[in-house]
Amino acid sequence: DIQMTQSPSTLSASVGDRVTITCRASQYIDNWLAWYQHKPGKAPKLLIYKASSLESGVPSRFSGSGSGTEFTLTISSLQPDDFSTYYCQQSNSYPRTFGQGTKVEI
Amino acid sequence: QVQLHESGPGLVKPSETLSLTCTVSGGSLGSYFWNWIRQPAGKGLEWLGHINSGGSAHQNPSLMSRLTMSLDTSKNQLSLKLTSVTAADTAVYYCGRDWSGAAMAFWGQGTQVTVSS
Repeated sequence: DIQMTQSPSTLSASVGDRVTITCRASQYIDNWLAWYQHKPGKAPKLLIYKASSLESGVPSRFSGSGSGTEFTLTISSLQPDDFSTYYCQQSNSYPRTFGQGTKVEI
Repeated sequence: QVQLHESGPGLVKPSETLSLTCTVSGGSLGSYFWNWIRQPAGKGLEWLGHINSGGSAHQNPSLMSRLTMSLDTSKNQLSLKLTSVTAADTAVYYCGRDWSGAAMAFWGQGTQVTVSS
């Protein structure tokens, strides 16, 4: 299985901060990488697909970059609604695997 | 807008079979891949498997072939059966549909399943 490792596991930030989350794959995954936002009791929300494509309706303050084995999710100016847990997920090979999650807290 | 809704028994006894249904509204099953994902309390997301109407299916080997997935196009539903459950299968179970880039753009709200006698 491809292991996805996110860092940091927890991130403390303030409204207006620029936030970057890193996701590393244990093997080459080209750009088959998605980012999700997940709040307790809610359905996960797709933010970014194919490493850098912004899902329709997602605010432009979210962006993704990277290819191969190293990827980043950036929130350019953190908003109150962005305090949540974020997951990366690879779909280059089976089984699809998620990172362990990064909790963004105040 | 496509909406997904998971349903099933909230409590299953150890060694029995867990059965869940995901009802799709606002669109057909089409040729998309339909996924099952779970999240144990306090842990991350785990992809269980997916299936499409063309008969292609993949499951996570960690489930040791306990998982069966199916689609019912007449009811616009997908189903999950997980056999020989243990406490380790206690989790919130989600269904989700692939969209661009093999990412899941549509998700259900999830349903809690507890394995306990």
